[in-house]
Formats: sequence, C-alpha cells, structure tokens
Amino acid sequence: DTEVTQTPKHLVMGMTNKKSLKCEQHMGHRAMYWYKQKAKKPPELMFVYSYEKLSINESVPSRFSPECPNSSLLNLHLHALQPEDSALYLCASSQQNSNQPQHFGDGTRLSIL
Amino acid sequence: AQSVTQLDSQVPVFEEAPVELRCNYSSSVSVYLFWYVQYPNQGLQLLLKYLSGSTLVKSINGFEAEFNKSQTSFHLRKPSVHISDTAEYFCAVSDLNSGYALNFGKGTSLLVTP
Repeated sequence: DTEVTQTPKHLVMGMTNKKSLKCEQHMGHRAMYWYKQKAKKPPELMFVYSYEKLSINESVPSRFSPECPNSSLLNLHLHALQPEDSALYLCASSQQNSNQPQHFGDGTRLSIL
Repeated sequence: AQSVTQLDSQVPVFEEAPVELRCNYSSSVSVYLFWYVQYPNQGLQLLLKYLSGSTLVKSINGFEAEFNKSQTSFHLRKPSVHISDTAEYFCAVSDLNSGYALNFGKGTSLLVTP
C-alpha cells in the first residue's frame, strides 16, 4: 500500500472542463511534487512545493494550476487541457526538499477527449 | 547540469538467471542516486538509494547496486530473478544544484520469462 494517496485513479474530461487532482500524505513530509508521465517514458517534474510554498515550476503551461492548502495536501487544478496532456500524473513527497528519497502515489490516469 | 543514462531500454532474461541493469550519470557536484521500480498501472516504488557511506546498497528483495564514483555508475544487479520482477526500472539522480529534484533516466524494461 502506498503512503501517498491520489484521487481519482482515472479521469476523463473534455477540453473545456475544469477538474482537480488531489494528493494526500500523512508522513509529515514537507516537500511535495507533481510529475507527468507519458507512456513508456520517465516521469517529468512539473512543480515542487517546499513548506507549502511553490519552489519550482518547470515552465508548465498555465492551464495546470497547483495548490498546496496545507502540509498534507497537494492539488492540481486543470482547465482547458489539450489532448496531448493525456498522461499519468504522479504525486510524490519527501521529508523536505533534500536528498531524502521521494515517495510516490499510484497516480491519476488522465484522458482528454 | 546533471544527466542520467540507462544504456538498455529492454532486458529480457530467463527466470532464476542473474541480471544487471546499467545506469551512468554525470554531474559536477556530489550526487544522490536512486533506483525506482514501476509495475504496470502503478506509481514508482523506491528500490534502492545511495546518499553516502557504503557504496554497496541492498534491498530486501535481493537487488543490490554499487556506487562507483570513478566510473560514474550505479548499476543494479540481482543474482536470480523471478517472474514477479518484470517491471520498468528507473535510475534517478539528484543534487543540490537542481534543488534535489529527481532527474530520471529513460528506464529499462525488465522482462523475466520462464
């Protein structure tokens, strides 16, 4: 069982919809991450939050909007996505933004119609 | 800038045979190295990590990896594989200059057959 919980597991949405992906961890970690993974490819970093503040944005389009309401929760708000945004979205957390390993959730598989 | 190279995209192997998955990295500063495994339709699970200290690190399920600074490598080995080891394996590196963000290799697909 993963200690990082992501919901929903699957999401299908149209290009005009607004939806949110959620991620939760109760390990006391203070760094949280969003990754995008296309089929047969490695995860690509999107955002890093450290102590609930955005510390890294890897030039992600504004149609992806992250939010960290508290130290246990991380959201990714989606609006006006494109078909090429279909992918597995992975959340991860680590003790802090350091050399400690990241723990991953099972991801949300997103399909854009 | 750092980079990670996994030299083999696919490694087929028979059950109970040994296997080595290769990983090389480049970085101008001290690095931290990780192996993650991804089973179908799942997230990534940490398999091994090298942060400091002993250069040989071992997992509870029989995998091991050795950090070789002179060869800038962190190859993953298992003396006898099982069908259940079939998965995608990612080598990853992080360092201070990158804000400790993980930089992944392209992955190696390990296929174990009877």
